[in-house]
Amino acid sequence: GAVVSQHPSWVICKSGTSVKIECRSLDFQATTMFWYRQFPKQSLMLMATSNEGSKATYEQGVEKDKFLINHASLTLSTLTVTSAHPEDSSFYICSPIGGQETQYFGPGTRLLVL
Amino acid sequence: QKEVEQNSGPLSVPEGAIASLNCTYSDRGSQSFFWYRQYSGKSPELIMSIYSNGDKEDGRFTAQLNKASQYVSLLIRDSQPSDSATYLCAAYTSGTYKYIFGTGTRLKVLA
Repeated sequence: GAVVSQHPSWVICKSGTSVKIECRSLDFQATTMFWYRQFPKQSLMLMATSNEGSKATYEQGVEKDKFLINHASLTLSTLTVTSAHPEDSSFYICSPIGGQETQYFGPGTRLLVL
Repeated sequence: QKEVEQNSGPLSVPEGAIASLNCTYSDRGSQSFFWYRQYSGKSPELIMSIYSNGDKEDGRFTAQLNKASQYVSLLIRDSQPSDSATYLCAAYTSGTYKYIFGTGTRLKVLA
């Protein structure tokens, strides 16, 4: 399977700060990146889809100005949670796709906003 | 709204038994189906993919697909306590380039 890394794996921050999450595809080139969010005991919720070099497409209800996605290269995408609040506390998971249909996931980043 | 439906469970089976997990999907255009296992606090890991009608076996796991009934299942033979997790079913439609996930079925294998 594909090797995907995410950093950081855990982050705790104060309300109002911004948090950047990095997702790297280590053994393939990711032309597309999916970003998911998962609240406790709930399923994955797709937040946005981005293609390398172009703007991300956000799902309904996801604020594009709050969740900034950059997919500048074929191996790196970042999600920045701007002015984070306690309700943004969640498990954020990336999933890079590089031409195959099978979807592999990063290990996830757990965000806790105090 | 295209959907993938799963029973949330928990499904409890004794160790050594066969666990049967089911999933239905609403988009007839879906062509690829995936089963993921997710342990608490971890991200999903791929168990199996299936693309054509029938059965596909991989070790203790068998995926079954019936496109006419829009039904996908996963059988786990000789269930082990380590199989206890949430199992997510996903359907992929190339036209929409989207993966639709079910809410997952929680499996408990009792020692």
